[in-house]
Amino acid sequence: AQSVTQLGSHVSVSEGALVLLRCNYSSSVPPYLFWYVQYPNQGLQLLLKYTTGATLVKGINGFEAEFKKSETSFHLTKPSAHMSDAAEYFCAVRTNTNAGKSTFGDGTTLTVKP
Amino acid sequence: DAGVTQSPTHLIKTRGQQVTLRCSPKSGHDTVSWYQQALGQGPQFIFQYYEEEERQRGNFPDRFSGHQFPNYSSELNVNALLLGDSALYLCASSPGGNQPQHFGDGTRLSIL
Repeated sequence: AQSVTQLGSHVSVSEGALVLLRCNYSSSVPPYLFWYVQYPNQGLQLLLKYTTGATLVKGINGFEAEFKKSETSFHLTKPSAHMSDAAEYFCAVRTNTNAGKSTFGDGTTLTVKP
Repeated sequence: DAGVTQSPTHLIKTRGQQVTLRCSPKSGHDTVSWYQQALGQGPQFIFQYYEEEERQRGNFPDRFSGHQFPNYSSELNVNALLLGDSALYLCASSPGGNQPQHFGDGTRLSIL
């Protein structure tokens, strides 16, 4: 079984400030982890992924995330927020034994204040 | 290179009716998964199709069924619609294995 918990359904930051969106997962086997972004009335766009190897992964639009097995976390960060980063963000987990089934968190809405 | 395309974009139905949603995967992708995203929630896995067969299924009743065609496109059918079926239905495709899924923009289904 696998699950995802996103801490904080709403996060608000000022433009130029650090963005930190939290994600904790549960998986009985080594996980594959993903962050997606969803803009209003659109589907999900992949920001970054962790499968194996380097635990710090870089994605698009300046985002990065670090896989910490001991903490079962995969938090998403960006050093400096832009107004265009305002969106809904979803963390997801998959495993090799359930390659087609992604389990998503409930999402975090990011607001960026000018 | 077209991504995942879904049709229609919006649909309004009444309780008890049946609906069919369609999905064309990204070029080169042979695996299609369907998700239901209720308002304010993350996507919930419905099922996955590969080689024209349902390979995995989430916790959804038999009212939800699907099909995959030889060209890898897919349909999601929902019978006996309930008010609770109102949601955004997302199709995701991948080339299989551990590759990330690519999502379409979804079909917004409203049940009156």
